[in-house]
Amino acid sequence: GAVVSQHPSWVICKSGTSVKIECRSLDFQATTMFWYRQFPKQSLMLMATSNEGSKATYEQGVEKDKFLINHASLTLSTLTVTSAHPEDSSFYICSARSGRGDQPQHFGDGTRLSIL
Amino acid sequence: DQQVKQNSPSLSVQEGRISILNCDYTNSMFDYFLWYKKYPAEGPTFLISISSIKDKNEDGRFTVFLNKSAKHLSLHIVPSQPGDSAVYFCAAVPSTGANNLFFGTGTRLTVIP
Repeated sequence: GAVVSQHPSWVICKSGTSVKIECRSLDFQATTMFWYRQFPKQSLMLMATSNEGSKATYEQGVEKDKFLINHASLTLSTLTVTSAHPEDSSFYICSARSGRGDQPQHFGDGTRLSIL
Repeated sequence: DQQVKQNSPSLSVQEGRISILNCDYTNSMFDYFLWYKKYPAEGPTFLISISSIKDKNEDGRFTVFLNKSAKHLSLHIVPSQPGDSAVYFCAAVPSTGANNLFFGTGTRLTVIP
């Protein structure tokens, strides 16, 4: 149980393109979903937290107009990187949690984004 | 500011022996701790967690110990198996109502057959 599917797993695109990443909880309802970014040889850094039906809460330093998050249902959240540039190239990973903060987050397999 | 630290980037252990992975934290507001295992090109997989009201939690071969006074937790794997080879992350959740996980930088465990 507790499977989170993230799609696509790898994206290569030109600078200026917008890229959408989907995160789905397959066998549970995710009241909260999280988006992380991982730089090489560093730990996962939280970008934003989203609750179903409400606006995402962004961490300090994360541009909300750059990284659009939509959490339209209890099983789907999307992250759109708008007008992506090479510095946006990174590993993006989502997680989902049902219930309270003392429940574990379950992670997708991540998306490797490469902007040329 | 790294609030959760894993000072050993790598660890090698012989199959059948005990693996001990360590994690230190600085924020006294953390009250829930988790260990995740990560294989290359996959997302982290939840392994085991512990609440700050406990000092030990056991699940099969995996045991997590929490020393609140030292702000230290450890994951013991016994007996270690080659399939345990992966990167292990510890993570912490604060009690202040925030939802996010604070991750350590990970320890790469290699279990030698």
